[in-house]
Amino acid sequence: DVKVTQSSRYLVKRTGEKVFLECVQDMDHENMFWYRQDPGLGLRLIYFSYDVKMKEKGDIPEGYSVSREKKERFSLILESASTNQTSMYLCASSLSAGHGYTFGSGTRLTVV
Amino acid sequence: GEDVEQSLFLSVREGDSSVINCTYTDSSSTYLYWYKQEPGAGLQLLTYIFSNMDMKQDQRLTVLLNKKDKHLSLRIADTQTGDSAIYFCADRPTGTASKLTFGTGTRLQVTL
Repeated sequence: DVKVTQSSRYLVKRTGEKVFLECVQDMDHENMFWYRQDPGLGLRLIYFSYDVKMKEKGDIPEGYSVSREKKERFSLILESASTNQTSMYLCASSLSAGHGYTFGSGTRLTVV
Repeated sequence: GEDVEQSLFLSVREGDSSVINCTYTDSSSTYLYWYKQEPGAGLQLLTYIFSNMDMKQDQRLTVLLNKKDKHLSLRIADTQTGDSAIYFCADRPTGTASKLTFGTGTRLQVTL
């Protein structure tokens, strides 16, 4: 069964901490995505990557960065966590254009 | 940019049909998708429709696409309590490679 695995389901961090959210897929997909989900706002794209070492900004990249050193792993980095980054973070991957996404289970991050 | 809109909430009785609606703005969308999110989980692809189709049926699910009005709907026949979830529509506008735009999600509540 194909999988997208996010390393943590729940995370609590302090304001100002550097936070790493990890995502691994075992499907050899080229494309990987990070979204955040907030009530009433749906899913908003933070960053995405079409290939190893490639990254592109989504709709809300401010305060975030990403790393894709290997095809199967896409990391989201909060350089200095703030309370307005408290959210559900969803990672997804897809094979190519026209294919839907496979999502991970999500990481609920609380910044206190 | 592309915009995808859904109503936020729908309540139906068990056994009735549910119809979840979605409108989008990009007339060049090639694929449109429906995803389901159960509490505490990531999104799961339910079905998708190619833009040259008007209808697609898959067991209890029927997807209708009206390209002229840029309107997509998901009908769930014989709705069960297990169908309670948030339903997201998404489209893939032309020229965005694999990037999808998601709606805000419709929370379906099934009552006894």
